[in-house]
Amino acid sequence: EAQVTQNPRYLITVTGKKLTVTCSQNMNHEYMSWYRQDPGLGLRQIYYSMNVEVTDKGDVPEGYKVSRKEKRNFPLILESPSPNQTSLYFCASSPRQGSYGYTFGSGTRLTVV
Amino acid sequence: GEDVEQSLFLSVREGDSSVINCTYTDSSSTYLYWYKQEPGAGLQLLTYIFSNMDMKQDQRLTVLLNKKDKHLSLRIADTQTGDSAIYFCAETPSGTGGKLIFGQGTELSVKP
Repeated sequence: EAQVTQNPRYLITVTGKKLTVTCSQNMNHEYMSWYRQDPGLGLRQIYYSMNVEVTDKGDVPEGYKVSRKEKRNFPLILESPSPNQTSLYFCASSPRQGSYGYTFGSGTRLTVV
Repeated sequence: GEDVEQSLFLSVREGDSSVINCTYTDSSSTYLYWYKQEPGAGLQLLTYIFSNMDMKQDQRLTVLLNKKDKHLSLRIADTQTGDSAIYFCAETPSGTGGKLIFGQGTELSVKP
């Protein structure tokens, strides 16, 4: 089944403890991106990647890192999480930027205390 | 700038048609999209329309695009209680690196 898989689905952590949210797609998509969803602020892009080893900042990249060493994986790294990073995170992929087929993962609900 | 606007709530009776409206400001997108989000779930791509089309029909879903007015709508025929969810319209303006610009979402409530 074609899908984007995120792990974990739920995570509670403490301020400053480094964490990684994994994202993997099995559709051979070139384009991958991360969004966060917050009440009243909607969905905002954090980072995106047009292909392996090519990443760029979205609208809210502060406090996050990403890497794209392989086509299928696009992990989101929080080096020193803070409470304002408590959010619902989504990974998405598509064949290429601006195409018709953006597929989203099921989301990761992160709470930083 | 890039902006997508939707009304926040819509309530309909089961069996009626639902129409969710959206306006956008950037007309450079090749595709416009409708996503559905159920409680506790991710974003499911419902349908999309190519920017040079006026209408697209997909089973119970009809998408209308008015490029002149920058208006997009989603009609759900014979709405069911299982259609209760939040519906987002979105676009990907050119020059934004493929970023999806989402509306705030319309919460559709279907009453039996």
